[in-house]
Amino acid sequence: EAQVTQNPRYLITVTGKKLTVTCSQNMNHEYMSWYRQDPGLGLRQIYYSMNVEVTDKGDVPEGYKVSRKEKRNFPLILESPSPNQTSLYFCASSLSVYVGQAYEQYFGPGTRLTVT
Amino acid sequence: GDSVTQMEGPVTLSEEAFLTINCTYTATGYPSLFWYVQYPGEGLQLLLKATKADDKGSNKGFEATYRKETTSFHLEKGSVQVSDSAVYFCALSDGPSGGYQKVTFGTGTKLQVIP
Repeated sequence: EAQVTQNPRYLITVTGKKLTVTCSQNMNHEYMSWYRQDPGLGLRQIYYSMNVEVTDKGDVPEGYKVSRKEKRNFPLILESPSPNQTSLYFCASSLSVYVGQAYEQYFGPGTRLTVT
Repeated sequence: GDSVTQMEGPVTLSEEAFLTINCTYTATGYPSLFWYVQYPGEGLQLLLKATKADDKGSNKGFEATYRKETTSFHLEKGSVQVSDSAVYFCALSDGPSGGYQKVTFGTGTKLQVIP
């Protein structure tokens, strides 16, 4: 089954304790992205990756890191989480994202993170 | 920059009522337009899309028409069901010729359908 998986689904942590949220897709997609969803703000892009070893900042990258060493995986790293990073996080992938190609994005089930 | 504006929610309708969720956009280029749906506890999934002016996207009884003159992509359904209760996101993708196509999402509109 074609899917995007994320782990963990729920995480409660404390300020400053490094954490990683994993994301994996089995569709051989080139493009992957991380979003955070907050009430009243919709989805905001954190980082994206056009392909292996190619990553770039989205709209709200501060406090986050990513890496893309393999095509299928795109982990999100919070080196020193803070309470304002409490949010619902989604990983997404797409075949491509070049102009002229309206490919849909496939989303993971989400990771609800609480930082106390 | 590009932006997407959706009507405020929540929208509460009785079963079999007509649904309209308004969406307007601003874009520097000639974007593709999407509606995504998020059911409770799940990620977003594509509902429908349109890639050029006057295109109509449709799926599961939902429709939306790409209106370039009014920069709108309103979502409609003739008769909603309880199972349509979800959050609906309007989105666009746009970018420079030959380049990366950034996706911009609206804030989402929550729909609640009561029996």
